[in-house]
Amino acid sequence: DVKVTQSSRYLVKRTGEKVFLECVQDMDHENMFWYRQDPGLGLRLIYFSYDVKMKEKGDIPEGYSVSREKKERFSLILESASTNQTSMYLCASSGWGGGQETQYFGPGTRLLVL
Amino acid sequence: AQKVTQAQTEISVVEKEDVTLDCVYETRDTTYYLFWYKQPPSGELVFLIRRNSFDEQNEISGRYSWNFQKSTSSFNFTITASQVVDSAVYFCALSGGSSNTGKLIFGQGTTLQVKP
Repeated sequence: DVKVTQSSRYLVKRTGEKVFLECVQDMDHENMFWYRQDPGLGLRLIYFSYDVKMKEKGDIPEGYSVSREKKERFSLILESASTNQTSMYLCASSGWGGGQETQYFGPGTRLLVL
Repeated sequence: AQKVTQAQTEISVVEKEDVTLDCVYETRDTTYYLFWYKQPPSGELVFLIRRNSFDEQNEISGRYSWNFQKSTSSFNFTITASQVVDSAVYFCALSGGSSNTGKLIFGQGTTLQVKP
């Protein structure tokens, strides 16, 4: 079975802190994605990566950066956390088949920024 | 532009009722893929089904069935004899065949509540 894990299920941080969200997949997938999910707004793509050290901005990249040093690991970084970044963060991965590939999701991290 | 619309925000049914979740999509791609995901209260999105644009055959998996109609750009999901465990948020999603990265466009989701 495909397994995508995220480092924390729940996280509480202070405004201005640097926050790291880690995601690891065990299926040797090329593509990895970070989404945030907010009530009424659905899932919105923050960043994605199609290869090691490669990244592309999604729909809402402002305030975030990412790092992919190894194929199995994709990190989302909040350089200076703000209260409007309180959200549910979901990581996903998929193979290199383009649009036909299924994205598999991790359990999510609920981040609260105080 | 690609778009997915799930017009039903919330649906409430009583256990054993059948329920259909609607999904309408827009795309200019001739090859595309449609997905349904389930998000239970625990938060993880669980993959349910993938359909490609060339395969309009309906699919049944246990109590779940999917009706794909290109003529109306719809990919509806029916749960037969619903159960309390079906309570979740359900997302419909679309990816284009021209995409080499598999980016998904999600609908807003439909919250299904099944009451005992």
